Amino acid sequence: QKEVEQDPGPLSVPEGAIVSLNCTYSNSAFQYFMWYRQYSRKGPELLMYTYSSGNKEDGRFTAQVDKSSKYISLFIRDSQPSDSATYLCAMSDVPPNTGNQFYFGTGTSLTVIP
Amino acid sequence: DGGITQSPKYLFRKEGQNVTLSCEQNLNHDAMYWYRQDPGQGLRLIYYSQIVNDFQKGDIAEGYSVSREKKESFPLTVTSAQKNPTAFYLCASSMFASGSLDPYNEQFFGPGTRLTVL
Repeated sequence: QKEVEQDPGPLSVPEGAIVSLNCTYSNSAFQYFMWYRQYSRKGPELLMYTYSSGNKEDGRFTAQVDKSSKYISLFIRDSQPSDSATYLCAMSDVPPNTGNQFYFGTGTSLTVIP
Repeated sequence: DGGITQSPKYLFRKEGQNVTLSCEQNLNHDAMYWYRQDPGQGLRLIYYSQIVNDFQKGDIAEGYSVSREKKESFPLTVTSAQKNPTAFYLCASSMFASGSLDPYNEQFFGPGTRLTVL
C-alpha cells in the first residue's frame, strides 16, 4: 500500500466551477500537509500547507485536513483556465531536528475549460 | 536572484552510459533532494542530503549515485545499472535548522531535467 493515494484524473471542469482535489494517506504520524501546483514541464511550486487538522483559506483556495479519516482536500473556487495544472499533495511527519522526507501523491491533472 | 537551477533541461543518453545531472542552489539551504517523476507514479525520492558530505537513500536509490561536497551542489549520476532511466528528474532543497522547534520546511523545486535514453 502506498503511503499517499491520489486520484490521477484527469479532471476537466468548466471555468467558474468549484474543484475538489483529494488525497488519502495511511501513516497516522503525518502532521504537515502540503499542496503543490505543477505546470507542464516545470517543477512543482508550493500552493498551500496546513498543520494537523483543520482548514486553511488563501484566496480562492481552501485546504482541509481530516486526520481522523486520514483525508485531505484542496478546494478551488471560481476556477480559471490558469489553474490548469497538475496538483500534488505531499505529507511529512517532520519530527524536530531531522531533515524531512516528504511523501507525495501521484498528482491530479486538472484542466479548466474557458 | 535566489533559487534552484538544474542543468541541462533536456538530456539524451545512450544505453550503457553514465550521465550526471546538475543541481545548484543559492538559498543557503542545508537539505537537498532528488526525485524522479513518472506518469502515474508521482514523485519518488531517490536520495536526500541533510548536510554536506552526508546523504541517505530514498525509496528508489538503486542505479543512482550522489555526492554532496558543497552545500550548494547536489549532483545526481544515473548509472548504467538503472534499468529504466527515462524520466523527469527534479531537485529540491529546504532549510533544515538543527535544534529549531519550527519543523516546517518548505521544499523548493528546480525546473527539472528530462532524461531520455535512446
